[in-house]
Amino acid sequence: GNSVTQMEGPVTLSEEAFLTINCTYTATGYPSLFWYVQYPGEGLQLLLKATKADDKGSNKGFEATYRKETTSFHLEKGSVQVSDSAVYFCALSGDYKLSFGAGTTVTVRA
Amino acid sequence: EAQVTQNPRYLITVTGKKLTVTCSQNMNHEYMSWYRQDPGLGLRQIYYSMNVEVTDKGDVPEGYKVSRKEKRNFPLILESPSPNQTSLYFCASSPMETGHQPQHFGDGTRLSIL
Repeated sequence: GNSVTQMEGPVTLSEEAFLTINCTYTATGYPSLFWYVQYPGEGLQLLLKATKADDKGSNKGFEATYRKETTSFHLEKGSVQVSDSAVYFCALSGDYKLSFGAGTTVTVRA
Repeated sequence: EAQVTQNPRYLITVTGKKLTVTCSQNMNHEYMSWYRQDPGLGLRQIYYSMNVEVTDKGDVPEGYKVSRKEKRNFPLILESPSPNQTSLYFCASSPMETGHQPQHFGDGTRLSIL
């Protein structure tokens, strides 16, 4: 079945640092890939998505590229802010559901 | 405002006492789904529904029931809750014409079963 492996956290950074969260997947077919973000006390919000190989999703300064050859969808941001502190989930679509990674907690300190 | 609304947001109850978590969406979405979130496991799907009167099991359906009598509502029922169902629950919805992606999530319901 489909599965997502995400780098473990927690990750603590200083403001303006570079953020990378690794995500690799196993899937049959050609799923769409997503990054969702969960701010404290809130539900999940879609951060970005990519629907086919070599697509780059981007939003709010975050980027991720769908790499079929390495089955990866790593999330990056060049300069993080305190407001980026959240839990980040990598996910893929298939079988009428989203399959999620375990989540990575990111804390950005001023 | 387009939203998915869950109630209650928090609930502490005891083993065996039936409970229902309601979920309602105002976007006329066909697809709705329930997930539970546990530390280190991410979110796992409990049940989903493709439309009114059409429901199916997800990855972890044991101990749960759902119904879809109206398009906007998709309640999650725990007929005899047990402590291993203590978790954070999310309802989600999406339109079918986009291949049921992306999904719009509610703010979550934290259940504690003592």
